[in-house]
Amino acid sequence: GAGVSQSPSNKVTEKGKDVELRCDPISGHTALYWYRQSLGQGLEFLIYFQGNSAPDKSGLPSDRFSAERTGGSVSTLTIQRTQQEDSAVYLCASRSYRGFGNTIYFGEGSWLTVV
Amino acid sequence: GENVEQHPSTLSVQEGDSAVIKCTYSDSASNYFPWYKQELGKGPQLIIDIRSNVGEKKDQRIAVTLNKTAKHFSLHITETQPEDSAVYFCAAIVNTDKLIFGTGTRLQVFP
Repeated sequence: GAGVSQSPSNKVTEKGKDVELRCDPISGHTALYWYRQSLGQGLEFLIYFQGNSAPDKSGLPSDRFSAERTGGSVSTLTIQRTQQEDSAVYLCASRSYRGFGNTIYFGEGSWLTVV
Repeated sequence: GENVEQHPSTLSVQEGDSAVIKCTYSDSASNYFPWYKQELGKGPQLIIDIRSNVGEKKDQRIAVTLNKTAKHFSLHITETQPEDSAVYFCAAIVNTDKLIFGTGTRLQVFP
């Protein structure tokens, strides 16, 4: 596609349920990033992938959060046993290749509400 | 540690005036500094970026300056318009690949 695509765009889930959020990066982009943005707040780094490996997953808030990327393309962020504090927008971004100054493009986000 | 500070947190200007947002970064190895504009309910949109081998870059009403010695970079918007109203984020690449964001500036342009 032309841009970074995220699904679902909106998700309401009950506390304790698991959720999966999907990111389709721009075709050919090898680096992929996940960020979390709480209402009215900044962008909190979660994890990034270079190809299928995750050199830095230091931002994942707890072991309930995990992410994977297969085929160097689609990535899934999974939140297990969701809590109300997980409610936020989850943003995905992609970048063409590791190197100096390559542009990073964002999707529109997945809005997660835990009730 | 990795850190990007951004000021001010809110900025109100009259239409036609200039707006300046400032950021500082901690990682001296950072070499790429993008700026994003985020409108309500949307993802961040890249508006301009600068690389460490350049001191200034301009694109119509928007300009960015970089002082590597002081580890400062700034966004300048001239002739502001109401549609410039949004939240602006600065960012810096650290450790080659990781993009760290500032805390954001809410810009309001009054007609």
